[in-house]
Amino acid sequence: AQKITQTQPGMFVQEKEAVTLDCTYDTSDPSYGLFWYKQPSSGEMIFLIYQGSYDQQNATEGRYSLNFQKARKSANLVISASQLGDSAMYFCAMKGSAGGFKTIFGAGTRLFVKA
Amino acid sequence: EPEVTQTPSHQVTQMGQEVILRCVPISNHLYFYWYRQILGQKVEFLVSFYNNEISEKSEIFDDQFSVERPDGSNFTLKIRSTKLEDSAMYFCASSDRDLEGVTDTQYFGPGTRLTVL
Repeated sequence: AQKITQTQPGMFVQEKEAVTLDCTYDTSDPSYGLFWYKQPSSGEMIFLIYQGSYDQQNATEGRYSLNFQKARKSANLVISASQLGDSAMYFCAMKGSAGGFKTIFGAGTRLFVKA
Repeated sequence: EPEVTQTPSHQVTQMGQEVILRCVPISNHLYFYWYRQILGQKVEFLVSFYNNEISEKSEIFDDQFSVERPDGSNFTLKIRSTKLEDSAMYFCASSDRDLEGVTDTQYFGPGTRLTVL
């Protein structure tokens, strides 16, 4: 069975500082994809970044980077130079090659950026 | 930039009534999904749809639920007889799945908030 664990229900960060949101996963699929989504208070789900299990390099997208440690089954999201607009809920998600079509989500981490 | 759209943004209904939630996926995408998020909880997979048929569904997706692609652009979720516990945010998503089926990123719509009274 696949599982995503986000152990930080809430995080605070000072504006302009970096923050790491933790995500660990469990799967027996030979290949899989890991995703991060942002959900602001307005409710929509915004795709941020993707990491494939066979990717050699950590994914980066602007101020977002994914610290992928396959042996530890972790896929932490790093947000550099936090902005007030980064305050939101962040979900780690996974999709496995043998897991069918569905993406499974973690419980989320609420990030608060302080001015 | 192409995006997934959903209507209505908020639907209020009486228990036992039928509701239809509508989605317009990204135009060149072939795979469509519905997820739901009960307030304060995690996002849960409901169903995936490809080539005019359900490809996978979760245990949540019981006989009260159905999906349809009535034309070339819309993708709908019908709840036949709503229950109080169906109150949630419902997200539609679409993707253009790659050959290995792993790296397709699912792009989500803004959601429909369903309130069952």
